Amino acid sequence: ETGVTQSPTHLIKTRGQQVTLRCSSQSGHNTVSWYQQALGQGPQFIFQYYREEENGRGNFPPRFSGLQFPNYSSELNVNALELDDSALYLCASSLLAGNQETQYFGPGTRLLVL
Amino acid sequence: DAKTTQPPSMDCAEGRAANLPCNHSTISGNEYVYWYRQIHSQGPQYIIHGLKNNETNEMASLIITEDRKSSTLILPHATLRDTAVYYCIVRSLSGYALNFGKGTSLLVTP
Repeated sequence: ETGVTQSPTHLIKTRGQQVTLRCSSQSGHNTVSWYQQALGQGPQFIFQYYREEENGRGNFPPRFSGLQFPNYSSELNVNALELDDSALYLCASSLLAGNQETQYFGPGTRLLVL
Repeated sequence: DAKTTQPPSMDCAEGRAANLPCNHSTISGNEYVYWYRQIHSQGPQYIIHGLKNNETNEMASLIITEDRKSSTLILPHATLRDTAVYYCIVRSLSGYALNFGKGTSLLVTP
């Protein structure tokens, strides 16, 4: 158990809808990263939030957006859902301090877009 | 970040040591080697990381060659619960993303 929680565990949406996924970070951590994992693939980095600001972004379109709150929890928002957005969405929390940062993952939210 | 190469699959008998290799021939001096594993449908689990020295924790040992171009993750006494996909990731100090490749699917058999 990493102490990172995600909600909901499963979600079904239809194409064109919007979705919000939530992540609570491990106590003492100040950074949250989000990843998308399609079936049979490794996780792909979406973005990272540090102190409520986006700290880095992978190759994902702007309809993927996020927030980090003062308590370091985070949301991932996806607008205009497409069928290819069906995936396991993972969040990872970490303590960004000094020159090392180890990310600890939550259990994920499985999103199905019909 | 440097790319890594891992065998797609490996088998190991329960109770034996599992040695998972990883090549990272383009690694640079400030890049760490991280290992994660993912049991089916769960989030990735951090195992261990290192820069140049060998590392050991309660889960595994990490052996990095002197030229740092390859490494081996060792699970000393594999159990059925170690069946998972194991990812070797090279990451710089300034990097924020973990670049997962395809990993090695380890099957531990009775």
